Amino acid sequence: DIQMTQSPSSLSASVGDRVTITCRANQDISHYLAWYQKKPGKAPSLLIYAASTLHLGVPSRFSGSVSGTDFTLTINTLQPEDVATYYCQNYDSAPWTFGQGTKVEV
Amino acid sequence: EVQLLESGGGLVQRGGSLRLSCAASGFTFSSYAITWVRQPPGQGLQWVSAITGNGRGIYYADSVRGRFTISRDNPTNTVFLQMNSLTDEDTAVYYCAKGFVSVSVPDYWGRGTQVTVSS
Repeated sequence: DIQMTQSPSSLSASVGDRVTITCRANQDISHYLAWYQKKPGKAPSLLIYAASTLHLGVPSRFSGSVSGTDFTLTINTLQPEDVATYYCQNYDSAPWTFGQGTKVEV
Repeated sequence: EVQLLESGGGLVQRGGSLRLSCAASGFTFSSYAITWVRQPPGQGLQWVSAITGNGRGIYYADSVRGRFTISRDNPTNTVFLQMNSLTDEDTAVYYCAKGFVSVSVPDYWGRGTQVTVSS
């Protein structure tokens, strides 16, 4: 099975900061990676798919990139409403594993 | 408007069974995969199972294979997750979600249903 290692597990930043979250796959998954935002008591929401394609309606301060098996989610100009836990997910092959999550606090 | 509504959760004894339902509306149901994702208390998201729109493609996480069965009834726009031999590790909020990119990358999610396994 493909393993996804996400880091850091948590971070604290200030409003307006640039935040970077990394997800590493233990084998080549091409660009088959998605990012989700999860707030307590709410369902997850899709942010990015195909490593760097922004889902409809997602603010442009969110972006994704890939270098080999390393994937990055960047939040430019962090906003208070971005407080959440962020997850990456491999969708190259089943089982479609999630990373462990990164809790972002302001 | 796309809507997904989970039901069937509750309290069950260890070793027992539950059948979750996911009722969908607002889209051409038979054209889309449905995925189940769960979140145990204090833990991260776990992908559980998925089924393609025509029901021919079925996928399970290793942790539930052989105990859980996913199925769908396209005429009634419903997906089911039959869960047998439940253990404490199955305690979680279970979400169903509509496939978007690939079978397992959903764009719309239900609100979730709580499953609690007790001894």
